[in-house]
Amino acid sequence: AQTVTQSQPEMSVQEAETVTLSCTYDTSESNYYLFWYKQPPSRQMILVIRQEAYKQQNATENRFSVNFQKAAKSFSLKISDSQLGDTAMYFCAFSNTGNQFYFGTGTSLTVIP
Amino acid sequence: GAVVSQHPSRVICKSGTSVKIECRSLDFQATTMFWYRQFPKKSLMLMATSNEGSKATYEQGVEKDKFLINHASLTLSTLTVTSAHPEDSSFYICSASTDGNTIYFGEGSWLTVV
Repeated sequence: AQTVTQSQPEMSVQEAETVTLSCTYDTSESNYYLFWYKQPPSRQMILVIRQEAYKQQNATENRFSVNFQKAAKSFSLKISDSQLGDTAMYFCAFSNTGNQFYFGTGTSLTVIP
Repeated sequence: GAVVSQHPSRVICKSGTSVKIECRSLDFQATTMFWYRQFPKKSLMLMATSNEGSKATYEQGVEKDKFLINHASLTLSTLTVTSAHPEDSSFYICSASTDGNTIYFGEGSWLTVV
């Protein structure tokens, strides 16, 4: 069975600083996708970044980047130059390419002005 | 990214009545849609997987006769909460898969049963 673990229930970061959110997963599959979703107070789930397991290069989207360590089954999210609008719940997710998706328990991030 | 629209965003209904929530994929065809329930400060709880033209697959513990899911077209899935009770009050959110590998979410619906 696939599992996704986020060990940091809450985190905070000063505005303009960098923060890293941790995520580990467990799977026996070789091909899969990993995601980070952001859920701000509006509750809308927004796709932040996506990583395909067969790609070695870490995905980046502007201020958001991941550190994908396939052997360690680790998928952390780095947010650079944190902004107040980054305050949200962040969910790590896994897809096994079979239309099955698994979510972590989330990390609540607060950006402090 | 792909756009998924969910309606209504907020609904209040009386105990014992039914309420329908719609989930539409606006710019793509979604053979599979998912329905989740989210409790305060918790992760998403998958309720059911909806496939166009076939019966939904419900997760263990979810009453299929209470939470009716219909996926009549490639762009629309509906969740009907039948005989709603106050304990059904929650945030319900749908998502749709574009290629089987990535899902996009609707805005979510707040249901309050009074």
